[in-house]
Formats: sequence, structure tokens, C-alpha cells
Amino acid sequence: DAGVIQSPRHEVTEMGQEVTLRCKPISGHDYLFWYRQTMMRGLELLIYFNNNVPIDDSGMPEDRFSAKMPNASFSTLKIQPSEPRDSAVYFCASSTTGTLRIADTQYFGPGTRLTVL
Amino acid sequence: AQTVTQSQPEMSVQEAETVTLSCTYDTSESDYYLFWYKQPPSRQMILVIRQEAYKQQNATENRFSVNFQKAAKSFSLKISDSQLGDAAMYFCAYRSVGTSGTYKYIFGTGTRLKVLA
Repeated sequence: DAGVIQSPRHEVTEMGQEVTLRCKPISGHDYLFWYRQTMMRGLELLIYFNNNVPIDDSGMPEDRFSAKMPNASFSTLKIQPSEPRDSAVYFCASSTTGTLRIADTQYFGPGTRLTVL
Repeated sequence: AQTVTQSQPEMSVQEAETVTLSCTYDTSESDYYLFWYKQPPSRQMILVIRQEAYKQQNATENRFSVNFQKAAKSFSLKISDSQLGDAAMYFCAYRSVGTSGTYKYIFGTGTRLKVLA
């Protein structure tokens, strides 16, 4: 399996521009998570989906952030308009609900480093 | 609300020696999962080890083992025969069992491990 795939790996943009981050989860996984990592705030959960449906978006910082999962193999995180304080590494992770009480595990993608100038 | 605390921002260990990273958590739930993740300089998050709360036996994965003390709400990671490749940021994570697909992970702030040659 190729693992969780994220694109782009690096994104540099100017304040006010729209940014779209992409994620392809591991095939067969029914949960998808978006995280943001910064030095100041550590690893923060932004939103997660179950079977393509958003379950908890309480971590989304503002209305400028939106996430979609149109199908089981693709998700996007969009920031519009972007601001310098959005600069961070954004991770996508996927997992599957275990059976027989097997603990599910989140598998992370390599992350997208976003820099907003 | 659940919390995860890693009180050691940074640890150092001599190559081939043993080191223990601490993690404590707070929860009112009786069933949950605990994880240790490793984040090397590449930034990708890698699962190191996981523990189901209902299991009394401590999990072990090669050189990595945990000391799970449920009553004390403690979940420490022991790395034996430390290698240079173990140098990374280590995150402790908690996940509730959840129902109807509603759950999420809570991560600690991380411990940076340095391995000295």
C-alpha cells in the first residue's frame, strides 16, 4: 500500500490567496483526519470524517477553513483567504474501525508545509 | 475532557542505552486506546506502539515497550538499545472507544529524543 498521500508537499503563497491541500487516504479506511502542527500549538485536530461525512469540525479555526470529502479516496482542506498565521504543517491521517476490539491506528501522510507570506 | 501530558520536552540517551519517555493522561472512561507515535525530521508520523486499556499485559514491539499503569493513568515508553535512528519527536496519544463513529485522538505536546553517539 502506498500509504496516505498528500499534495503538495510544500506550498508558498501570498496573504489573501486561496490554498487547497489534498489528501488520498489508505484504501479501505473509513476515517480521515486533518491536523495542523505548529511550534506554538503542537498537533491540533481540525476536522475528521467517517464514511465521507464530517463528524467533528470543532477544531476548524475559522470560517476561512473548509474541508470536503467527495468520495472515499479523496479529501481537500481549503483556506480562503489565507493569512500568515495559517503557516504550519498540515497532516492528513486515515484509519479504520477495528473489529474484535482491535485498536484502530491512525496512519499519517507526510504533511504539507504551508507558508503564507 | 480528556487530556494527555508529556512533561519531558526533551530527553537525551547514549547510543545502545535505555531511555524511558513519560506520558500521563486524564479520563473518566474505562475503555480506550493509547499510542506512541514517532516524528523524525522528515515530519512523517509513524506509529511506534499501541495499547488497549482493557489489556493488562504491556505491549511490546521489538526494542520498544510500554509500562501501562491504568490506575495511575500513566503510559511510559521504554526504548532499549537506543539507535541513532530513534532520534525524533515522540508523541503520546489517547483515543476513546467511542460509539456511532464519534471519537477522536488527543495528542500530547511531544518529547524530543536525542541519541548521542
